[in-house]
Amino acid sequence: NAGVTQTPKFRILKIGQSMTLQCTQDMNHNYMYWYRQDPGMGLKLIYYSVGAGITDKGEVPNGYNVSRSTTEDFPLRLELAAPSQTSVYFCASSYAKSRDSRGEQYFGPGTRLTVT
Amino acid sequence: KQEVTQIPAALSVPEGENLVLNCSFTDSAIYNLQWFRQDPGKGLTSLLLIQSSQREQTSGRLNASLDKSSGRSTLYIAASQPGDSATYLCAVLSGPYTGETSGSRLTFGEGTQLTVNP
Repeated sequence: NAGVTQTPKFRILKIGQSMTLQCTQDMNHNYMYWYRQDPGMGLKLIYYSVGAGITDKGEVPNGYNVSRSTTEDFPLRLELAAPSQTSVYFCASSYAKSRDSRGEQYFGPGTRLTVT
Repeated sequence: KQEVTQIPAALSVPEGENLVLNCSFTDSAIYNLQWFRQDPGKGLTSLLLIQSSQREQTSGRLNASLDKSSGRSTLYIAASQPGDSATYLCAVLSGPYTGETSGSRLTFGEGTQLTVNP
């Protein structure tokens, strides 16, 4: 059971380039999330999804896009990369029977992105 | 809007000590609270999840308590070991709040960096 996997582990982008961070979970979780963590800080939510075909913005969505075509995959797209997007990106998933019954969030190992 | 604060920011203790990490949050209307461990350069590992209706959870040498009315949680680590050295993050699930387009979400504290010295 792999849990939550993320690729790549590291990436350096030039300003203005684009890339997609991949995230896959094999736990049949309905909720999936993307966070970023800046040095010495907690995590901030970028986007989340409550199921295939449904996505919504989190706290810091500007400069990012997501899609959820399957239960397992939740890619994060960066368009026109900027230095402010230098961060560590974490994908997570959880199972919730209902809005008021949320399970534990399980995290992937992260992608360390540098934009220069 | 939810704010989560963790005190202290850093803690250094000798091996074998019992210790307490503190987490406070501003809005008591939460769904649950989760404690995570993060090793340097690694992802987050979930330690304990406390639902809003619960008062505490235990796992091995770890015990987490939740007092929703006062907006506080503590993580108690018994008989600390050098392998416990890591950053410990507290996160609460709450919201959405007025003006937010997102649904409920985890709000993280900035963490407590724990060092257990042999």
